[in-house]
Amino acid sequence: DIQMTQSPSTLSASVGDRVTITCRASQTISTWLAWYQQKPGKAPKLLIFKASNLESGVPSRFSGSGSGTDFTLTISSLQPDDFATYYCQHYNSFSPSCSFGQGTKLEIK
Amino acid sequence: QLQLQESGPGLVKPSETLSLTCTVSGGSISSSDMYWGWIRQPPGKGLEWIGMMYYSGNTYYNPSLKTRVTISVDTSKNQLSLRLSSVTAADAAVYYCARAVILAGSFDIWGQGTMLTVSS
Repeated sequence: DIQMTQSPSTLSASVGDRVTITCRASQTISTWLAWYQQKPGKAPKLLIFKASNLESGVPSRFSGSGSGTDFTLTISSLQPDDFATYYCQHYNSFSPSCSFGQGTKLEIK
Repeated sequence: QLQLQESGPGLVKPSETLSLTCTVSGGSISSSDMYWGWIRQPPGKGLEWIGMMYYSGNTYYNPSLKTRVTISVDTSKNQLSLRLSSVTAADAAVYYCARAVILAGSFDIWGQGTMLTVSS
């Protein structure tokens, strides 16, 4: 099974900061990587699919990059609404299955 | 627009079987290029993929849950179902149903989730 490891687990930042969250796969996964934002008591919200594609309606300050084993989610200028937990997710297209990273909690500094 | 709504008992006794239903509205569960899946989240913890299904019958399960899980689709009712047998306290979680776009490999529409408590 492919394991997804996110870092850091917790990130403290201020409004206006540029932040980057990393997701590493235990083996190469091409660009089969998605990013989600989750707020307390709510379902996850898709931000990025196939590593770098912005989901419709998601602000352009969110961006994703990477391929193979190393991926990043970048928020160019943090807004108050962005403080949440972020998850990466891998989709195995050859033997359909999914796995999530453990999450990164983005906190207000 | 497409909406998903989970429903279930809320409370299940240890060793019993959990049954959840996800009702799809505003669209068809028989759509091509989509999987319909279940994901769960224990209190205070991360997301765990349970499994997913194509409307025509192909199912895929998390290996760690495979022996206890059955996912099915009722196209006439536009519903997705989850059965999880022999539940324990470790199965207590919020259970989400979600739609996955196959070509994108991601879950773009989620239900609001339903909480499961396991207690005698």
